[in-house]
Amino acid sequence: DAKTTQPPSMDCAEGRAANLPCNHSTISGNEYVYWYRQIHSQGPQYIIHGLKNNETNEMASLIITEDRKSSTLILPHATLRDTAVYYCIVRVAGLAGRDDKIIFGKGTRLHILP
Amino acid sequence: DVKVTQSSRYLVKRTGEKVFLECVQDMDHENMFWYRQDPGLGLRLIYFSYDVKMKEKGDIPEGYSVSREKKERFSLILESASTNQTSMYLCASSPTSGRIVYEQYFGPGTRLTVT
Repeated sequence: DAKTTQPPSMDCAEGRAANLPCNHSTISGNEYVYWYRQIHSQGPQYIIHGLKNNETNEMASLIITEDRKSSTLILPHATLRDTAVYYCIVRVAGLAGRDDKIIFGKGTRLHILP
Repeated sequence: DVKVTQSSRYLVKRTGEKVFLECVQDMDHENMFWYRQDPGLGLRLIYFSYDVKMKEKGDIPEGYSVSREKKERFSLILESASTNQTSMYLCASSPTSGRIVYEQYFGPGTRLTVT
């Protein structure tokens, strides 16, 4: 079962920052927060992950609260191509195997409005 | 950039046919995975492999087998296709740093229809 809670949908104007929240109040100390997105009819795309520090890459920023019970994915300048379902996942980064499988919840459907 | 490719985007097969789905990754990743994705059920792990010739069952291996003869290639085989195997099939690969597995990179998916 997914261990995260996300709003089912959000809208964001093109060119603005999209802030996608995720609650993971039962996260364990050795669990990472991962974000993936899935554009319609395509495979999921890895975006970013973090443990407790804020992270930034060329796609997005990840802000994790100090108590690690929630996080926010920030797409700094949203474009129409960012319209997708965004999944927040918590998992232990451990040995490859059955326990490392990705479990997607329902995610947030992000609509970028022109 | 990591590239994971799958042999077909769309495939239509008849019940009872043997079906081969192929996946190739170009980043020398040790780990490869096969999932299926169905509406309302999310991603479910079928098989995975963490080394050449190594394979392990995931959560729903029945009716499937896999082959990994080369590091970059992971094949999913439906021995005798059935209509309940109509689904989107996703291949993924991931690197191993030491014994820690990080992000998984997915292919574009193969939408298989069994009639």
